[in-house]
Amino acid sequence: EAGVTQSPTHLIKTRGQQATLRCSPISGHTSVYWYQQALGLGLQFLLWYDEGEERNRGNFPPRFSGRQFPNYSSELNVNALELEDSALYLCASSPGLAGAFQETQYFGPGTRLLVL
Amino acid sequence: DAKTTQPTSMDCAEGRAANLPCNHSTISGNEYVYWYRQIHSQGPQYIIHGLKNNETNEMASLIITEDRKSSTLILPHATLRDTAVYYCIVRAGSGGGADGLTFGKGTHLIIQP
Repeated sequence: EAGVTQSPTHLIKTRGQQATLRCSPISGHTSVYWYQQALGLGLQFLLWYDEGEERNRGNFPPRFSGRQFPNYSSELNVNALELEDSALYLCASSPGLAGAFQETQYFGPGTRLLVL
Repeated sequence: DAKTTQPTSMDCAEGRAANLPCNHSTISGNEYVYWYRQIHSQGPQYIIHGLKNNETNEMASLIITEDRKSSTLILPHATLRDTAVYYCIVRAGSGGGADGLTFGKGTHLIIQP
């Protein structure tokens, strides 16, 4: 069974540009979670999607947004990039159970974003 | 979510059992203990979770004290590939909160050859 996949693996952008990161969940999983891991810091929760809807978001500015498609894949968009957005962005998936947040999550390898 | 305390780092010899402790003295009755690990530059990997009974799977065993104020993750025969940061997370079960998993600083486990 294929795990969570993310693309691209690496992304280099300059300040002010927009970045789009993609995630494909494990087959059959309907929930997708996004996390940011900046260098030397812990994972910070960004967004949670389930059944195509945003269920919750972490303490990040509105320029971090995303969506979930009908096939449950997801996209994270970061607008007006700042230097401090440089980080490893991780996507995780889980089976959706009546729209409840699942603590058992399966993570992808991440996209490493570098903002110059 | 209950706060957890883990040692910053630990060493273990290859082939020996690695015992990783976690203190969670403020845990509530409905909160589970979850363990994840993150190998360098990879995404976190779910290991195991439990409520009050000891649990075992193909990766590890989880021992939770009777008062549930602490737990130990046991990797029975550590290999070099088990070198990683191990995170202990305490949360209520499904639906207990929608604000994402909180990964603290974890324990950096180094397996020595």
